[in-house]
Amino acid sequence: DIQMTQAPSSLSASIGDRVTITCRASQGISNFLAWFQQKPGKAPKPLIYAAATLQSGVPSKFSGSGSGTDFTLTISSLQPEDFATYYCQQYDDYPLTFGGGTKVEI
Amino acid sequence: QVQLVESGGGVTQPGRSQRLSCAASGFPFNTFAMHWVRQAPGKGLEWVAVISYDGKTIYYADSVKGRFTISRDNSKNTLYLQMNSLRIEDTAVYFCSRRGGGQHFDYWGQGTLITVSP
Repeated sequence: DIQMTQAPSSLSASIGDRVTITCRASQGISNFLAWFQQKPGKAPKPLIYAAATLQSGVPSKFSGSGSGTDFTLTISSLQPEDFATYYCQQYDDYPLTFGGGTKVEI
Repeated sequence: QVQLVESGGGVTQPGRSQRLSCAASGFPFNTFAMHWVRQAPGKGLEWVAVISYDGKTIYYADSVKGRFTISRDNSKNTLYLQMNSLRIEDTAVYFCSRRGGGQHFDYWGQGTLITVSP
């Protein structure tokens, strides 16, 4: 199985900060990597797929990069609505696997 | 608009069975693969199973293989998850999700909670 490791597991940030979350795959997954945002009691919301493609309707302050084993999600200017938990997920091979999540707090 | 609505959750006991449903609307259901993903209380996301658009190709997570069965009825635009021999560790919110054109999960339902308790 492909293991997905996210870092950090949590972070504290302020409004307007630039935030970067990293995700590492235990083996190469090309660009078959997605990022999701989840708020308490809600379903995950797709942000990015194919490592760097913004899901329709997602603001451009979110960006993704990487290929192979190392990936990043960047939020350019943190706003109150961005405080949430973020997950990466590989869809290169079954079983599909998620990272452990990064909780972004004020 | 795309809508996925899960149902069938509730409280049950270890060893019992439960069937979840996911009613789809707003898109041609019979042309999309569908997934189940779960999330235990306070934990991360865990992929459970996938079924191809025609039901012919299915994969499961090892944690549910042999106990859970994913299926679909394209005439009813509905996805199912039959869960047998339930365990306490199956307690989770179960989400259905569509596999989009980019092969990622592009739409999710709101989830349904299964609680397995003695």
